[in-house]
Amino acid sequence: ETGVTQTPRHLVMGMTNKKSLKCEQHLGHNAMYWYKQSAKKPLELMFVYSLEERVENNSVPSRFSPECPNSSHLFLHLHTLQPEDSALYLCASSQVTGTNYGYTFGSGTRLTVV
Amino acid sequence: ILNVEQSPQSLHVQEGDSTNFTCSFPSSNFYALHWYRWETAKSPEALFVMTLNGDEKKKGRISATLNTKEGYSYLYIKGSQPEDSATYLCAFNQFYFGTGTSLTVIP
Repeated sequence: ETGVTQTPRHLVMGMTNKKSLKCEQHLGHNAMYWYKQSAKKPLELMFVYSLEERVENNSVPSRFSPECPNSSHLFLHLHTLQPEDSALYLCASSQVTGTNYGYTFGSGTRLTVV
Repeated sequence: ILNVEQSPQSLHVQEGDSTNFTCSFPSSNFYALHWYRWETAKSPEALFVMTLNGDEKKKGRISATLNTKEGYSYLYIKGSQPEDSATYLCAFNQFYFGTGTSLTVIP
């Protein structure tokens, strides 16, 4: 247990479904992140939230919609996904956004779009 | 597109061997270089944050060096143990990750 909890661990969804990924941290961190890892590719930054404000949206398609209701919780809402969106989705948190601060990662959600 | 490259892609070593691998990154606009260890079925775990040219960090048998002028960092593992088997990731300026080096230590 790293202090960052992601649910569910695995998710299979159809292309017309709507689902949400949840991330929770109680480390007192003020920044939270969503990353995507596809096979044979590096971790790809999707969204950054700092003090509950979105500060980075890395050209992510609108079928991915993040939500950060407070500094401890982060969601990724999914709708009308494509099979190529199948990947591991990792949540991370850090004390603040800033290059000197390393991440604490969750265990990820393995998403399969059918 | 920022290019962060790690080599080799994978590595098999015998228990007790020492090993090292490389992270290459842009030499301009450098702020920090992060190293993580990612064991199978677990979360990536932070190892080091390095910010200054010539930095050396050490944690047990693992150490890292940083050359920001030429844009590379080395990670060294001395006397590899089976529990060192993992993927080692580097990240440039916090956000930009390489594809990792997968290390397998054979007992």
